[in-house]
Amino acid sequence: GENVEQHPSTLSVQEGDSAVIKCTYSDSASNYFPWYKQELGKGPQLIIDIRSNVGEKKDQRIAVTLNKTAKHFSLHITETQPEDSAVYFCAASAPYNDYKLSFGAGTTVTVRA
Amino acid sequence: DTAVSQTPKYLVTQMGNDKSIKCEQNLGHDTMYWYKQDSKKFLKIMFSYNNKELIINETVPNRFSPKSPDKAHLNLHINSLELGDSAVYFCASSQVAGKGKLFFGSGTQLSVL
Repeated sequence: GENVEQHPSTLSVQEGDSAVIKCTYSDSASNYFPWYKQELGKGPQLIIDIRSNVGEKKDQRIAVTLNKTAKHFSLHITETQPEDSAVYFCAASAPYNDYKLSFGAGTTVTVRA
Repeated sequence: DTAVSQTPKYLVTQMGNDKSIKCEQNLGHDTMYWYKQDSKKFLKIMFSYNNKELIINETVPNRFSPKSPDKAHLNLHINSLELGDSAVYFCASSQVAGKGKLFFGSGTQLSVL
């Protein structure tokens, strides 16, 4: 099955700086890569996703890049703000296993004011 | 209006008891899920139902029994609770199975004493 590794496990950044979280996946058939943000006491919420036919996608201060050859994808948050502090999860799914997302272990991001 | 709602939010119980967690979604989605999040924040799928039919059943002890009376509801019943069952349980839904855009509930914090 799919195995998703996520790094770093914790990330502390100064407000206004950028944050980058990296994930690798094992199954070359995976074609869908969402990112979820989980705030304290809440459920994860989808913030951006990318499919394998696209190399990069951007939504305001958030961007995701995908390198299919290397089987890794990354989340970039620019101009970080205190409300960006949360746990971020990457995930991957493959067409033959479309019912199941495999999640990374999560990255706890702290934005220092 | 809450999209995916689950009750109760907190559940404290003794070992050996039986308890249920209820979940309802008002998004009109066909697929519902139960995820378990352990103390290290790792998210793992337990079950998935598509139009009331079980499609994913991970290696979960048979003390855990999901029930889907209709496609808007997916309840989780747990028999003979054990200390290791303590975790946060999330219900989620998606419009179509496997399309990845999961909408999560706010979670049920289960503590087994």
